[in-house]
Amino acid sequence: QSALTQPDSVSGSPGQSITISCTGSSADFSNYDFVSWYQQHPGKAPKLIIYDVSKRPSGVSHRFSGSKSGNTASLTISGLQTEDEADYYCSSFTSSSTVFGGGTKLTVL
Amino acid sequence: EVQLVQSGAEVKKPGESLKISCKGSGYTFTTYWIGWVRQKPGKGLESMGIIFPRDSDTIYAPSFHGHVTISVDRSINTAYLQWSSLRASDTAMYYCVRQVGTAHYLLDNWGQGTLVTVSS
Repeated sequence: QSALTQPDSVSGSPGQSITISCTGSSADFSNYDFVSWYQQHPGKAPKLIIYDVSKRPSGVSHRFSGSKSGNTASLTISGLQTEDEADYYCSSFTSSSTVFGGGTKLTVL
Repeated sequence: EVQLVQSGAEVKKPGESLKISCKGSGYTFTTYWIGWVRQKPGKGLESMGIIFPRDSDTIYAPSFHGHVTISVDRSINTAYLQWSSLRASDTAMYYCVRQVGTAHYLLDNWGQGTLVTVSS
């Protein structure tokens, strides 16, 4: 069982916006802005798309945004495109290691 | 350009030993933590542990402590993940990652992955 809880799947149509939630149970998750998000296409390595809750690495589309309120972080993808279809993982840290959510499969209908 | 290049796929039998590698380039290898992440077929990501190449300080995730060994050879900018006795349940894709940020929680660069298959 993951320390971070994500929905198993979400879906949306091209052009729409979707939001993926990530709920943590630890005080560290609630008190610090150390949440990152990774995108993984089938057969590929994950790729960092959001860090420190809402920052985007260079080269990542502005359509990806992150936020956090209390013990729930969110990834929003606006203007959905077919290439956004992938698995998405949230991540944070504990005293002993990096932890991941169970992953959310995004289907673009 | 930061690159992490991993060794190729492996097929092993239960009980055999294995050591896979991850070579870093495009940055100062000794000043960033390197981690290993496991992904079982069709499943999510699990952090196994990290190592600081400068002094080989190593931290294992509780679930993996005692079953794997993480090491590094600074002279060739390479990190390793090894098993002394593989189990069928070790079948997975293994990624090496560069870890940065506070508590090195952030995985900013990933290797291409090494598929390990353990089967009799």
